[in-house]
Amino acid sequence: QQQVKQSPQSLIVQKGGISIINCAYENTAFDYFPWYQQFPGKGPALLIAIRPDVSEKKEGRFTISFNKSAKQFSLHIMDSQPGDSATYFCAAIPNRDDKIIFGKGTRLHILP
Amino acid sequence: KAGVTQTPRYLIKTRGQQVTLSCSPISGHRSVSWYQQTPGQGLQFLFEYFSETQRNKGNFPGRFSGRQFSNSRSEMNVSTLELGDSALYLCASTLAGGSDTQYFGPGTRLTVL
Repeated sequence: QQQVKQSPQSLIVQKGGISIINCAYENTAFDYFPWYQQFPGKGPALLIAIRPDVSEKKEGRFTISFNKSAKQFSLHIMDSQPGDSATYFCAAIPNRDDKIIFGKGTRLHILP
Repeated sequence: KAGVTQTPRYLIKTRGQQVTLSCSPISGHRSVSWYQQTPGQGLQFLFEYFSETQRNKGNFPGRFSGRQFSNSRSEMNVSTLELGDSALYLCASTLAGGSDTQYFGPGTRLTVL
């Protein structure tokens, strides 16, 4: 079964630090890798996404790094803020009509 | 544009009962997916409907079923509830599925006693 393995399960970072969440996928030709952010009591919301023909994508303080040969991708949050405290999910989609596969999530807490 | 709405937001049932949850997608979106979210298992995919047809299905027992109506609204049903069905049930809509951005609703919190 196709899987996306996400680590760490939880993460505590000081305000102003860099938060790094890693994901690895197996096998198949995923062609879209979104990250979702979820606050308590809310549904997940798309944060940033990347396609495998690009090695890095940056949007503000959020950066996705993608290593196609290693089948790994990661989310970096620069200058982490208490408002970034949330659960983050990485995901992968094999092709247009196939289902999205989520990692199990990382609970991030930024210390004020 | 209104977001994805889910009703009810909270539900308490007892073992053996059945439950129906409702999801109204964003206007114009034709794909609706359902997920079960629990602390230990993260987001587990239940099924996806596109134009009233089930397009993808996750690994859940037959007690979990769904349908989609011509206006793209979707319902999911869980029969013979078990304690382990207690979870947050999320629905997400996209224009046409695949790599289109998934817009999630706030979820229905189901508690089975």
